[in-house]
Amino acid sequence: GQQVQQSPASLVLQEGENAELQCNFSSTATQLQWFYQSPGGSLVSLLSNPSGTKHTGRLTSTTVTKERRSSLHISSSQTTDSGTYLCAIVSSAGNKLTFGIGTRVLVRP
Amino acid sequence: DPKIIQKPKYLVAVTGSEKILICEQYLGHNAMYWYRQSAKKPLEFMFSYSYQKLMDNQTASSRFQPQSSKKNHLDLQITALKPDDSATYFCASSQDSWQGNTLYFGAGTRLSVL
Repeated sequence: GQQVQQSPASLVLQEGENAELQCNFSSTATQLQWFYQSPGGSLVSLLSNPSGTKHTGRLTSTTVTKERRSSLHISSSQTTDSGTYLCAIVSSAGNKLTFGIGTRVLVRP
Repeated sequence: DPKIIQKPKYLVAVTGSEKILICEQYLGHNAMYWYRQSAKKPLEFMFSYSYQKLMDNQTASSRFQPQSSKKNHLDLQITALKPDDSATYFCASSQDSWQGNTLYFGAGTRLSVL
């Protein structure tokens, strides 16, 4: 079945540092979304990026559809960025979001 | 104010019992979903509904039954509870049933089955 793999599994940053999170997927995706899950568990959509590059605030996502990969770049990290970042795709074969297990990010002051 | 309300936030149940997880959304969306997040596993799609009709069911067990009494309600009834059902259950919604649309999640119901 389709899989979404994220790396690294976890990341520790000093406040102000940048980070790059990776997402690789095993089937053609018609949609790719990045989500943030807070330490308390709440989930928020960050951005949708099925191809190309998109920016929102300090986040930049680059998706190379043909290579089945996407990255999420966090610039000038803040302690409030701590949490888990989830990548999810909708494959061309279906209409459901399949999630990766996430990258857990800890930003230290 | 939260736009997707899930009740209760925490739930403890005994093996073999039945529980209903409540979800209401006030975003005016036409599609609603249930997802499950178990420890150390990815968020897993369970059901999707559009205009109160079941669109997709990826749950193998018939013990999980969604119930939609109104367009903005999608409850989840779980019968004959097992310890393996322990997880956080998230309700979500989107404007329509294509899951490529932005998905909005509730805060989740954390279920523990003893």
